[in-house]
Amino acid sequence: ETGVTQSPTHLIKTRGQQVTLRCSSQSGHNTVSWYQQALGQGPQFIFQYYREEENGRGNFPPRFSGLQFPNYSSELNVNALELDDSALYLCASSPLAGGTYEQYFGPGTRLTVT
Amino acid sequence: AQKITQTQPGMFVQEKEAVTLDCTYDTSDQSYGLFWYKQPSSGEMIFLIYQGSYDEQNATEGRYSLNFQKARKSANLVISASQLGDSAMYFCAMRARPNSGGYQKVTFGTGTKLQVIP
Repeated sequence: ETGVTQSPTHLIKTRGQQVTLRCSSQSGHNTVSWYQQALGQGPQFIFQYYREEENGRGNFPPRFSGLQFPNYSSELNVNALELDDSALYLCASSPLAGGTYEQYFGPGTRLTVT
Repeated sequence: AQKITQTQPGMFVQEKEAVTLDCTYDTSDQSYGLFWYKQPSSGEMIFLIYQGSYDEQNATEGRYSLNFQKARKSANLVISASQLGDSAMYFCAMRARPNSGGYQKVTFGTGTKLQVIP
């Protein structure tokens, strides 16, 4: 069974640029969530996708957007990058939306905005 | 609104000793789930243990146990026989009841950094 994978591992971008982060969910999981974890903080929920549709969103502006594909992999897009967007971005998959199953996290993408 | 509070920014424990990491939560939901995750310096969040709000027994997973006191709204993690590899950040998290689309919001605490001393 393949776990959750994320790419790239590290990324450096300039303020104002756009970035795309990618996530492959664990085999058999159809729900993907994205989190932002600033240094020294707990993860903050960005949004969740279930069957290619967003079904939950945290307190993040519209320049944070996402996609989920038929194979349940997902992308997180961030436009007009700001310095405060520097963080570890975590993707998590789970077997079904609204279930009691735990989420399985990927290793994260560390984004630095200069 | 949901809130998770972890009041211990850092903890030290001697190898082979037990340690308790505190977590209190606040929610108006009757149905919810509580989780603990371990985050080593590599960054990956590792699931440790889960407790449902209607579970009568405290959850246990190997050396990990969750001391669930519903009336006090606390869900402390107990690690027995600490090992050097237990040194990491530990996060308490809560999942609330689903919205109309089936989504259950997950809220994390700010974490506790545990250091195991040889």
